Amino acid sequence: QQQVKQSPQSLIVQKGGIPIINCAYENTAFDYFPWYQQFPGKGPALLIAIRPDVSEKKEGRFTISFNKSAKQFSLHIMDSQPGDSATYFCAASLEYGNKLVFGAGTILRVKS
Amino acid sequence: GAGVSQTPSNKVTEKGKYVELRCDPISGHTALYWYRQSLGQGPEFLIYFQGTGAADDSGLPNDRFFAVRPEGSVSTLKIQRTERGDSAVYLCASSLVGGRTEAFFGQGTRLTVV
Repeated sequence: QQQVKQSPQSLIVQKGGIPIINCAYENTAFDYFPWYQQFPGKGPALLIAIRPDVSEKKEGRFTISFNKSAKQFSLHIMDSQPGDSATYFCAASLEYGNKLVFGAGTILRVKS
Repeated sequence: GAGVSQTPSNKVTEKGKYVELRCDPISGHTALYWYRQSLGQGPEFLIYFQGTGAADDSGLPNDRFFAVRPEGSVSTLKIQRTERGDSAVYLCASSLVGGRTEAFFGQGTRLTVV
């Protein structure tokens, strides 16, 4: 059973645009929500993560918005660059342990 | 090493054969995880080690899959009687301790069963 639903599957934006990737989860016991970036042939790399006690977190050009009541969270990439072209995964995990449940991924292409 | 190291990078095997995939975690990381990533999908959890013991093996798909970490460092994922459906990228990750600490992933082993 898929516990984290991610959309869209793919996304194309112009350089400087703000791609938005959305995720929804089912298990209210999740309390850690990271986003990973993956380039072809590489393993996922942690981009930014949020806990449910805050509604927004910014790190550089990356922002997570979190809506606990709706059980949704999203990633915004400000001033996107061609180098941001990659696959992005949202994930969630329970309070104890780091067993991550991943979304299906979003392939982002930033056109120059 | 500086990061999580997985060997081999690629493995092609015939259906029915036995394979071993190796993971060398970041030095000092006590928690180690195996994930499987099928084409076009997100990684799926297989097993989690805290030290030498498997703290959670609920993601192993069946008894053909087994993993060990005898000295609390290097881990080996073992797959018996491989099937074509086992073809995927097998990812290993490690973290300083289990629980809310960043997990660092290796580059994965691409397993192809022909």
